[in-house]
Amino acid sequence: DSGVTQTPKHLITATGQRVTLRCSPRSGDLSVYWYQQSLDQGLQFLIQYYNGEERAKGNILERFSAQQFPDLHSELNLSSLELGDSALYFCASSVDSSSTGDETFFGQGTRLTVV
Amino acid sequence: AQSVTQLGSHVSVSEGALVLLRCNYSSSVPPYLFWYVQYPNQGLQLLLKYTSAATLVKGINGFEAEFKKSETSFHLTKPSAHMSDAAEYFCAVSDPAFGNEKLTFGTGTRLTIIP
Repeated sequence: DSGVTQTPKHLITATGQRVTLRCSPRSGDLSVYWYQQSLDQGLQFLIQYYNGEERAKGNILERFSAQQFPDLHSELNLSSLELGDSALYFCASSVDSSSTGDETFFGQGTRLTVV
Repeated sequence: AQSVTQLGSHVSVSEGALVLLRCNYSSSVPPYLFWYVQYPNQGLQLLLKYTSAATLVKGINGFEAEFKKSETSFHLTKPSAHMSDAAEYFCAVSDPAFGNEKLTFGTGTRLTIIP
């Protein structure tokens, strides 16, 4: 158990819908990262938050957004869903984004299926 | 921009045989390098990391990797494969200048152990 909790584990929804994925980082970790793992794109970094503020952005679509709340949990919002958004979405956390080489701990992921 | 290339999307070895998973990196600065393992329906778990200290890095479960700057490689090895090593393995790189802001992953290598 990495200490990173993601809910729900599985999500099935229709095209055009909106979903919210939730992540609770490890106790004490200030940074939260979101990654998408799909068959055609592999593992891709989406976005990072550090202590409530956006720190880095990767290949995140405009239809997707994220936020980190004062209690440090994070939510990834996916809207106007398309079939191609079906993927495993991972949340990860680490202590401090400026601590190079610190271990990043991954949650077990939310498997999103868009039908 | 940094990247990693994993040679061989599928590798099969016999139980007890040497495991060698290849990773080459591209980086304009000395990078930090990581190997992660993903078991079926699980998140990613850190096996080992290179952060500019010793070039031979020992990780969990008997794995090790050697950073070779001249070859821009960070291959993962294990002397004797075990059935429980069957999983997908990802090489990743981060830029020390930006700390843990994001990991850039390779496409992964699925390791199969033949009894």
